[in-house]
Amino acid sequence: GNSVTQMEGPVTLSEEAFLTINCTYTATGYPSLFWYVQYPGEGLQLLLKATKADDKGSNKGFEATYRKETTSFHLEKGSVQVSDSAVYFCALSPYSGAGSYQLTFGKGTKLSVIP
Amino acid sequence: EAGVAQSPRYKIIEKRQSVAFWCNPISGHATLYWYQQILGQGPKLLIQFQNNGVVDDSQLPKDRFSAERLKGVDSTLKIQPAKLEDSAVYLCASRRLFAANEKLFFGSGTQLSVL
Repeated sequence: GNSVTQMEGPVTLSEEAFLTINCTYTATGYPSLFWYVQYPGEGLQLLLKATKADDKGSNKGFEATYRKETTSFHLEKGSVQVSDSAVYFCALSPYSGAGSYQLTFGKGTKLSVIP
Repeated sequence: EAGVAQSPRYKIIEKRQSVAFWCNPISGHATLYWYQQILGQGPKLLIQFQNNGVVDDSQLPKDRFSAERLKGVDSTLKIQPAKLEDSAVYLCASRRLFAANEKLFFGSGTQLSVL
């Protein structure tokens, strides 16, 4: 079946540090890949997405590249801010013959950025 | 535009009691999802509706959980009777189109505690 594996947290970084959160997936065919973010006290919201191999999704300084050869979609940011403190979820949406297009999430990685 | 609305925000019940959650998706969104998010884990799909029809309920514990979306707009999720392991945040989400890379919008969730 479809699955997403994320690096375990929590991750604690100093402001302006470089961030990488690893994500690998298992799926048949060509899934779409997503990063969702959950800020404290708020609902999940889409951070970025990529729909085919070698696509790069980007938003708010975050980037992730769809690597089909390594089945990965690692999240990166060159310089984190305190406001980036949140839980980050990697997710995939398979193209299935039945077309349910449901999201399968990883367990989430909690990021804390300290001043 | 208004977001996905959920109520109540919090609910505390004793085991074997019944509970219901309500969700009003973004206007015009045909697809609606209910997810269960247990503490420390990623959201897990319970049921998916397309308009007022069920697309996927394969992970819904049908002996105790039920959901409906009678008029293809708002939806209710019910648990009867509740168990301790049902303690979780129940998330409602909607999307405009039935497509793999279409953005999912999440509500803030209902946090259920079963004592």
